[in-house]
Amino acid sequence: GDSVTQMEGPVTLSEEAFLTINCTYTATGYPSLFWYVQYPGEGLQLLLKATKADDKGSNKGFEATYRKETTSFHLEKGSVQVSDSAVYFCALSDRPGGSYIPTFGRGTSLIVHP
Amino acid sequence: DADVTQTPRNRITKTGKRIMLECSQTKGHDRMYWYRQDPGLGLQLIYYSFDVKDINKGEISDGYSVSRQAQAKFSLSLESAIPNQTALYFCATSEGGDLAETQYFGPGTRLLVL
Repeated sequence: GDSVTQMEGPVTLSEEAFLTINCTYTATGYPSLFWYVQYPGEGLQLLLKATKADDKGSNKGFEATYRKETTSFHLEKGSVQVSDSAVYFCALSDRPGGSYIPTFGRGTSLIVHP
Repeated sequence: DADVTQTPRNRITKTGKRIMLECSQTKGHDRMYWYRQDPGLGLQLIYYSFDVKDINKGEISDGYSVSRQAQAKFSLSLESAIPNQTALYFCATSEGGDLAETQYFGPGTRLLVL
C-alpha cells in the first residue's frame, strides 16, 4: 500500500539557517503530494502541493519539488524564522480506489531559535 | 469565524464513560473525516463520510462510532473510553472528487482519559 516516510525530528535550527525536511513515498499509482503544517495549538493547514513530476510547490518561502525518479518531495526553505517553528507533515493522495484520502507521514517537528 | 469548528477543545473523562466530540463546518463540503494524532505517530484515520448517507471505517475505528447528522455536522463518540484513547482528535473536511484536493482541519480536541 501507499506510505510516506519523513525524517525524524526534532529539527533544531538557528534563525536564518537553511532548512531541509526529507520526505519519500511509496505509491501504487501516480499520486499528488502535499506538505501540511501544524502550528502550536492549531490544526493542520496546507502549506504547498504538487500534482505531477518536476512540479514545484511553493508558499511562504517554502518549496518542494516532485521527484518521481527518487520518489521524493523534500521541503526546503532558504532562511527560517522563529515563526516557522511547527510540525510539518508530508502526505500523498493516490488514485487507486478513487477515495483520494491522503496518507500522512508521521510529522517532523521544527524548532527555530532566535 | 473558523470554517471547521470542534467542541469541546479540551476534555477530561474517566475510564468507562461515554463521550462525544462534535465537528461543524461552514465550507459546504460533502466529505468529512475524523483523525487521531499521537506523538510520533502522525495522523490515523478513524472514520470518514463522503455524504450524509455514506460512512466508512478508517484504519483505527475500534472503540469509536460516528454520526453524520447533516452535511455540516459529524460527531465522534467513544462508547466506553479507555486510557489509550488519550490523544488529540481532529476533524477535517474536503470538497471531494479531486486527486489534488486540500483537507481543511479543525483546531482539534485534546482528550484525556483517566
